[in-house]
Amino acid sequence: RKEVEQDPGPFNVPEGATVAFNCTYSNSASQSFFWYRQDCRKEPKLLMSVYSSGNEDGRFTAQLNRASQYISLLIRDSKLSDSATYLCVVNGDDYKLSFGAGTTVTVRA
Amino acid sequence: EPEVTQTPSHQVTQMGQEVILRCVPISNHLYFYWYRQILGQKVEFLVSFYNNEISEKSEIFDDQFSVERPDGSNFTLKIRSTKLEDSAMYFCASMSGALTEAFFGQGTRLTVV
Repeated sequence: RKEVEQDPGPFNVPEGATVAFNCTYSNSASQSFFWYRQDCRKEPKLLMSVYSSGNEDGRFTAQLNRASQYISLLIRDSKLSDSATYLCVVNGDDYKLSFGAGTTVTVRA
Repeated sequence: EPEVTQTPSHQVTQMGQEVILRCVPISNHLYFYWYRQILGQKVEFLVSFYNNEISEKSEIFDDQFSVERPDGSNFTLKIRSTKLEDSAMYFCASMSGALTEAFFGQGTRLTVV
């Protein structure tokens, strides 16, 4: 079983739409969770950390479900600039960051 | 804003040659990583480094690879006897704490010909 699995998409949505996707992780001892954004041929950049209580940053909402070992990202009122690959990143008990393969989101005008 | 810097941004090398990829992590960070991403594929963990030694390495990180922190600021990845399949983007990352977010450099695109 892969350490971190994501729905690869692609999600192709119109501007203003809401898009949501999940990520599952296999290591129940994982300690911290993140969503990163990666643009084509660029480095991953932190979008947001994910906390047990769930957290929101503007149009982005992240949720963590430890019992089911998944995290989610929801993007409201999507913009053209939200088009990117979103990487689910999990920090296990070995302090190694494990990456999902990424979910591709394309926002169209 | 502090950032991780990597040099060179692009390296072309002939098969069988050795390359050294360089990284300057954020100055007060304690944990350092190398990742690679083959074009169109996922980001793969290579090695983590803490307290001047390797803390973990992946199956990819075999005897062909080595890391050093030669002077307390630079963090290098050496790849010996490069192969065509080593062509990839190599990212350096650093973290201030074991469970904090990682900051990535802009990457070195290695092309082996």
